[in-house]
Amino acid sequence: AQSVAQPEDQVNVAEGNPLTVKCTYSVSGNPYLFWYVQYPNRGLQFLLKYITGDNLVKGSYGFEAEFNKSQTSFHLKKPSALVSDSALYFCAVRDLMDSSYKLIFGSGTRLLVRP
Amino acid sequence: SAVISQKPSRDICQRGTSLTIQCQVDSQVTMMFWYRQQPGQSLTLIATANQGSEATYESGFVIDKFPISRPNLTFSTLTVSNMSPEDSSIYLCSVEVRLELNTEAFFGQGTRLTVV
Repeated sequence: AQSVAQPEDQVNVAEGNPLTVKCTYSVSGNPYLFWYVQYPNRGLQFLLKYITGDNLVKGSYGFEAEFNKSQTSFHLKKPSALVSDSALYFCAVRDLMDSSYKLIFGSGTRLLVRP
Repeated sequence: SAVISQKPSRDICQRGTSLTIQCQVDSQVTMMFWYRQQPGQSLTLIATANQGSEATYESGFVIDKFPISRPNLTFSTLTVSNMSPEDSSIYLCSVEVRLELNTEAFFGQGTRLTVV
């Protein structure tokens, strides 16, 4: 069965500092990994995804994520946080062999960037 | 990409009533899904909306409570029936769009439902 864990309910960083939001996953086959962001009273916005290739994936708004197969992780990172990055972040996984296209979401991590 | 329009964006409903949420996509898509996001929680898949046939429901969700229609490849509705306060959630429509090498999921803005 597929699962996603986001171990931190909340991450607090100061503006200008690097940020990391953690995600680990479990799938029976090869993973298809995503990060989404949700601003208050808004739907989900796609940030980035990993399918194959380079383990470091670059996405929207300066975010990037590193796929680590041995640690089954896909942590979201940004070199310099902005106050406007404050939002709820979701990691999601799909098994590439799953023809149903279902996404399994983590519990979410709230990022607070203080000025 | 795909632009998804969900209506209503929010509603406050009396317990025991039903609400139908509409999802309109600006292009034809094969895969369409409905998710629920309970307060402070993550997204949970309710069902896959199948065009021309009955929806495929996930464990814990049943057709009598969440009937779904999918009359064509651009439109779907989700009804939340006989509502109780526990149904207060954000309901999101999602579509899977085929890109050149893979597929990508797009989400609507969500419908914030409060049951009183």
